[in-house]
Amino acid sequence: GIQVEQSPPDLILQEGANSTLRCNFSDSVNNLQWFHQNPWGQLINLFYIPSGTKQNGRLSATTVATERYSLLYISSSQTTVSGVYFCAVAKDTNAGKSTFGDGTTLTVKP
Amino acid sequence: GAVVSQHPSWVICKSGTSVKIECRSLDFQATTMFWYRQFPKQSLMLMATSNEGSKATYEQGVEKDKFLINHASLTLSTLTVTSAHPEDSSFYICSARVFPEAFFGQGTRLTVV
Repeated sequence: GIQVEQSPPDLILQEGANSTLRCNFSDSVNNLQWFHQNPWGQLINLFYIPSGTKQNGRLSATTVATERYSLLYISSSQTTVSGVYFCAVAKDTNAGKSTFGDGTTLTVKP
Repeated sequence: GAVVSQHPSWVICKSGTSVKIECRSLDFQATTMFWYRQFPKQSLMLMATSNEGSKATYEQGVEKDKFLINHASLTLSTLTVTSAHPEDSSFYICSARVFPEAFFGQGTRLTVV
């Protein structure tokens, strides 16, 4: 099956700092999503981004499908963005099931 | 986005009893739903694919007699953990896809004592 590697595993920032999270995947995919898991466990959809670049507020993401990686950028971090960020990929969207990376735990300190 | 609702959010049960977790798609129909399991500080691991009106498909290593899945309608899938033991304690999350995105329930934290 597809292997998904996320880096770094842990990231500690001061409020206001920027960060870049990376997701590498071992095979071509036609579906890639970024999620934020809040402290209560809820997975929040951030981006559906199998290729290209998208932005939403202080968050942006870029996927280079030909090189099998995706990046999530968080600018001017607030403490509220602390949590675990997951990348999930699917080789066949019609099949539905996703493979998750191990996540990046982001801690933003005031 | 689409809303997937799970119930209960948390449950504590005694060893040897069974627990049922419900997963509902509130504003869409889902012929397929997915059940994941997450241990503390770990990633989500797919357990099974729930298919409306037919048998679930289990991932390798997942005991289908231990984790019973029923997908009786287009908006409801249930996961029953039978004869639960402390090692079954975990966070269980369901998912459904509104093409092409996957949406997740809020999860159920199961503690078996």
